[in-house]
Amino acid sequence: GENVEQHPSTLSVQEGDSAVIKCTYSDSASNYFPWYKQELGKGPQLIIDIRSNVGEKKDQRIAVTLNKTAKHFSLHITETQPEDSAVYFCAASRGYSTLTFGKGTMLLVSP
Amino acid sequence: DAGVIQSPRHEVTEMGQEVTLRCKPISGHDYLFWYRQTMMRGLELLIYFNNNVPIDDSGMPEDRFSAKMPNASFSTLKIQPSEPRDSAVYFCASSPGGVRNTEAFFGQGTRLTVV
Repeated sequence: GENVEQHPSTLSVQEGDSAVIKCTYSDSASNYFPWYKQELGKGPQLIIDIRSNVGEKKDQRIAVTLNKTAKHFSLHITETQPEDSAVYFCAASRGYSTLTFGKGTMLLVSP
Repeated sequence: DAGVIQSPRHEVTEMGQEVTLRCKPISGHDYLFWYRQTMMRGLELLIYFNNNVPIDDSGMPEDRFSAKMPNASFSTLKIQPSEPRDSAVYFCASSPGGVRNTEAFFGQGTRLTVV
């Protein structure tokens, strides 16, 4: 089955800095890669996703890149704000199949 | 739509007792998932349903765990008997389904504590 590794497990940045979270996956047939944000006491919520026919996708301050050859994808957050503080999860799936999640990254943005 | 609704939000029970967690998925979603979240293991898929039919329950840790989906708008996850190591946050999620509709919408979760 699919295995998703996520790094780092914790990340502290100053407000305004950029943050990068990286994930690798094992199943070369995976073609859907979402990122979820989980705030304290809430369920994960989708913030951005990318499919295997695209190398990069951007939505305001967040972007995701995908390298299918190397089987890794990354989340980039620019101009971080305190409200970006949360746990971020990457995931991978084959489309019809279920999502396999990484272990999560706790991002702390200090004012 | 109010989103995925789970109840209760918090549950504290004694070891050996039966626990039932409830979920109402988003109307029209064909897929329903039960996840367990712990610090050590992260988000683990326990079981998922497609059109009310259980498709894959390989993530269910033991026979003490069971899940049902009697209709499109309701699912339960039952633990009997409960043990302290079952303490975790349990999430229900639903998805529209289809190759290009794999976004999972999560509920707020049920925090279970077994003492």
